Amino acid sequence: EDQVTQSPEALRLQEGESSSLNCSYTVSGLRGLFWYRQDPGKGPEFLFTLYSAGEEKEKERLKATLTKKESFLHITAPKPEDSATYLCAVQAVTGANSKLTFGKGITLSVRP
Amino acid sequence: NAGVTQTPKFQVLKTGQSMTLQCAQDMNHNSMYWYRQDPGMGLRLIYYSASEGTTDKGEVPNGYNVSRLNKREFSLRLESAAPSQTSVYFCASSNPATGANVLTFGAGSRLTVL
Repeated sequence: EDQVTQSPEALRLQEGESSSLNCSYTVSGLRGLFWYRQDPGKGPEFLFTLYSAGEEKEKERLKATLTKKESFLHITAPKPEDSATYLCAVQAVTGANSKLTFGKGITLSVRP
Repeated sequence: NAGVTQTPKFQVLKTGQSMTLQCAQDMNHNSMYWYRQDPGMGLRLIYYSASEGTTDKGEVPNGYNVSRLNKREFSLRLESAAPSQTSVYFCASSNPATGANVLTFGAGSRLTVL
């Protein structure tokens, strides 16, 4: 059974204080690992897909990295507008219909 | 583009009542999904439809039924609502055939069952 564990559950940062969010996963062959951002009262919004260990992707202050067991979402010099819940999900190579397994999310609060 | 549109956004039901959540996408996606999101539980798949005319159970299908009306529309029905079905429901769509299964989500429907 595919599993995704995200840590910490919540993170409070001061504006400009860089940090990393962790996503540990167990999957029977990884097709893709996804990061989503979710604002309160809204649906998740796609950020990144990572396919293989060693891959990195960047978008503004966010950088996602991938190893064989975990992914990190690095936030450099965060701003209050980066406050949101960040979701990680995995898609297995095998299994029906490319279903995604989601973690419980990490709630990030950035104080001005 | 509207993307994925869900209705209603909010609904309050009494135990035993029935209702249908509607979802429509305008991105010509083949696959559609219904998830529920509960505090501390994350997103859990209820039902999905790989393509028009097919539906399959996800992780938590009990108490729900779905209909893939056409390529655009995928509805979720609660036949006899229970307080345990109080949740936020998200519809999503994707085109898995293009490679990694990137989902596009709707804004959510918040359901309260009294």
